[in-house]
Amino acid sequence: GQNIDQPTEMTATEGAIVQINCTYQTSGFNGLFWYQQHAGEAPTFLSYNVLDGLEEKGRFSSFLSRSKGYSYLLLKELQMKDSASYLCAVFYGGSQGNLIFGKGTKLSVKP
Amino acid sequence: ETGVTQTPRHLVMGMTNKKSLKCEQHLGHNAMYWYKQSAKKPLELMFVYSLEERVENNSVPSRFSPECPNSSHLFLHLHTLQPEDSALYLCASSQEKREFNEQYFGPGTRLTVT
Repeated sequence: GQNIDQPTEMTATEGAIVQINCTYQTSGFNGLFWYQQHAGEAPTFLSYNVLDGLEEKGRFSSFLSRSKGYSYLLLKELQMKDSASYLCAVFYGGSQGNLIFGKGTKLSVKP
Repeated sequence: ETGVTQTPRHLVMGMTNKKSLKCEQHLGHNAMYWYKQSAKKPLELMFVYSLEERVENNSVPSRFSPECPNSSHLFLHLHTLQPEDSALYLCASSQEKREFNEQYFGPGTRLTVT
């Protein structure tokens, strides 16, 4: 199967930096998404990586290594409002293509 | 209204009922999606529509029947559901289906099957 693995839960302190990892099977890989989902709300798009390297967008950055089947989401200067689940999703190509989500990482930011 | 809207927000139905979930997007997108989100499980892609044609059906039981009458509206018709179908059903849209693009999600319908 095309399993997407990410930690179930993480805790960090306000103002700190946290890195959320995601590993996936590389066969058929086309691109990787990160979404943020606050409790009881819809997921919102954070980033999309296709090429190797780091993409920075304000306090959030996303890194991809295609050969290693690895990505991480880096959150800097953590704020209480960053407490949410972070979903890693991989787009696998092919005749139709499919988008596979991980179970999400629940991040709790403490004062 | 802007973005992606879904109705109803909450639905409780018996196993013999027939109901429909509605999704509407006001973004001018060409692709729409239905997802199922169950507790402790990954978000599962159910159906994909591109330009009103179904292009993806991920082995979803026939008790779920999607309908896309135009590029702005998407329905999910439900009948003879099972308790394990209780979940959050999310609708999403994107500019194009190719590579799924950046998807915009609706707030979801919380479905409980009794």
